[in-house]
Amino acid sequence: GENVEQHPSTLSVQEGDSAVIKCTYSDSASNYFPWYKQELGKGPQLIIDIRSNVGEKKDQRIAVTLNKTAKHFSLHITETQPEDSAVYFCAASYSGGGADGLTFGKGTHLIIQP
Amino acid sequence: GAGVSQSPSNKVTEKGKDVELRCDPISGHTALYWYRQSLGQGLEFLIYFQGNSAPDKSGLPSDRFSAERTGGSVSTLTIQRTQQEDSAVYLCASSVTAFPNEKLFFGSGTQLSVL
Repeated sequence: GENVEQHPSTLSVQEGDSAVIKCTYSDSASNYFPWYKQELGKGPQLIIDIRSNVGEKKDQRIAVTLNKTAKHFSLHITETQPEDSAVYFCAASYSGGGADGLTFGKGTHLIIQP
Repeated sequence: GAGVSQSPSNKVTEKGKDVELRCDPISGHTALYWYRQSLGQGLEFLIYFQGNSAPDKSGLPSDRFSAERTGGSVSTLTIQRTQQEDSAVYLCASSVTAFPNEKLFFGSGTQLSVL
């Protein structure tokens, strides 16, 4: 089955700086890569996703890049703000998989220092 | 409703007792999922319902875990004879159509503590 590794587990950055979270996956059949943000006491919320026919996708201050050859994808947050503090999860799935075809990383706790 | 609703938000139980966790998905969503989130861990898939099809139970960790979805809407996750290792946050999610390349909408979870 798919294995998703996520790094770092904790990331502390100064407000206004950029943050980068990286994930690798093992199954070359994976073709969908969502990122979820989980704030304290809440469930995860989808913030951006990318499909394997695209190398990069941007939405305001967040962007995701995908390298299919290397089987890794990254989340980039620019001009970080206090409200960006949360746990971020990457995930990978493939069209032919069932519900267990979506595999999550273990999460990155992003801390924005004022 | 406006979002996925889970109850209770917190549940404390004694080892060996049974517990029931409830999930009310977004109206009109045909797919419903249960995940378990242990401290410092990712999201562990438990079970998935799609419409009236038989559920995908491939993620249930033992036969003490079961779930049902009545009328294609509300779901209940039952854990029998709870153990301390069952302590975790149990998250429910729903999506418009079939998994896996669909946006999941998560509830806020039920924090289960087994003493």
